[in-house]
Formats: sequence, structure tokens, C-alpha cells
Amino acid sequence: SAVISQKPSRDICQRGTSLTIQCQVDSQVTMMFWYRQQPGQSLTLIATANQGSEATYESGFVIDKFPISRPNLTFSTLTVSNMSPEDSSIYLCSARGGLRGVRETQYFGPGTRLLVL
Amino acid sequence: GQSLEQPSEVTAVEGAIVQINCTYQTSGFYGLSWYQQHDGGAPTFLSYNALDGLEETGRFSSFLSRSDSYGYLLLQELQMKDSASYFCAVSSSASKIIFGSGTRLSIRP
Repeated sequence: SAVISQKPSRDICQRGTSLTIQCQVDSQVTMMFWYRQQPGQSLTLIATANQGSEATYESGFVIDKFPISRPNLTFSTLTVSNMSPEDSSIYLCSARGGLRGVRETQYFGPGTRLLVL
Repeated sequence: GQSLEQPSEVTAVEGAIVQINCTYQTSGFYGLSWYQQHDGGAPTFLSYNALDGLEETGRFSSFLSRSDSYGYLLLQELQMKDSASYFCAVSSSASKIIFGSGTRLSIRP
């Protein structure tokens, strides 16, 4: 199975600032995703991180607010820009389609807990 | 629109059997997955059904009926450690997965 790490694991930020979350996978994967999850709630897909090209964003999420990079097959970053308290959430990196494991299996990182004051 | 429906909470007794149902309405369908998430933890993959029928993996089984847009997760010989949230998820395209709202399973001794 793929192992996914995220940094930072948590942060407390002031409104108006930006935070970049890093995601590292221990093996090459075809697809990487970024999700948001409020405690006790479902997972909402923010975007699909595409290697070497612009991310594909879901309805309600825009590149100016959530710029995403994916320079290679194992690494991606998500930036939460110009933060407001409404951005307080858990942000999860996810990956699928690696050389190991079941193709349909989607792996998740431990999440980044963000609190915006 | 796209939607997945599953019960918000289920309570069961240790050693018993519990079934968590999921109905879905999506614009595309490649398969139905189930994920487990303990409080404070990351979701972990449990099972995937692309075709009708029952898939068994140890104490957990998952069922799919594509004609009914319905599936369920069956947990047998429940253990206290099975207390968690369980999410059904539909692969609506080759790349995208849509998650249900989750079912919180509480297990009593």
C-alpha cells in the first residue's frame, strides 16, 4: 500500500494569511487529490492535482483561493490563500493508481488540521 | 445532481452483525467503495465492488446491485475497535470518487 505523509499536521493561522500544505507519497501514483473534511462530516473533493499542468477544480473551488502544484508523480502542494475562519477544516491529500495495491484503492494522508482565527 | 444516502448513525452489540446501506444517484458509475475512518484518523480503504454481488474480506463483506443503485457493507463478529465512521463512495468517472455523508457506528459491550 502507498504511504502518504503531510506537513504540517496542524496549524493555527491568522486571517488574511496563506498556508501551504505539502503531500509526499512513498511511491509513484497516477492520481493525486485534495479533500476537505469538517470534523464529523463527509469528504469534499477540492481538486485533482495533475502532474505538470493546472489542477482540475471542483465546483465551488477556484485556483486563486486554492493553488495546487504537482511537479512529479509523488509530491503535491495545496495552498489555502487569504484565509478566513470559514477555511478552518481538515485538509486531506489522497492518491490512487500506483504500481502497488489494488487500482481502485484510494489512499489518504493523515490530514492537516487548520484553524483560522 | 449526484447524491449518496447512508444512515447517519448505527448502534450494535459486540459480537453481533451489522449492515450499513448505501443508495446512490450519480451521473456515472464505475464502482462502489467503502472506507473506514476512526476519530482523528485518515480514511482507510475497505472494499470495492464494480460488479453485482457479494465480496468478502475477512469479517467484512460488501454487496452491490447496480440495477437498484444500492450497496451495503456487512460487518460480522463486531469488535469494539470497529467503532468508527464508514463512508460509501462512488467512482463516478475513471478518476473521481464521490463520498457519502458517512455512518457513525457505535458498538456496545
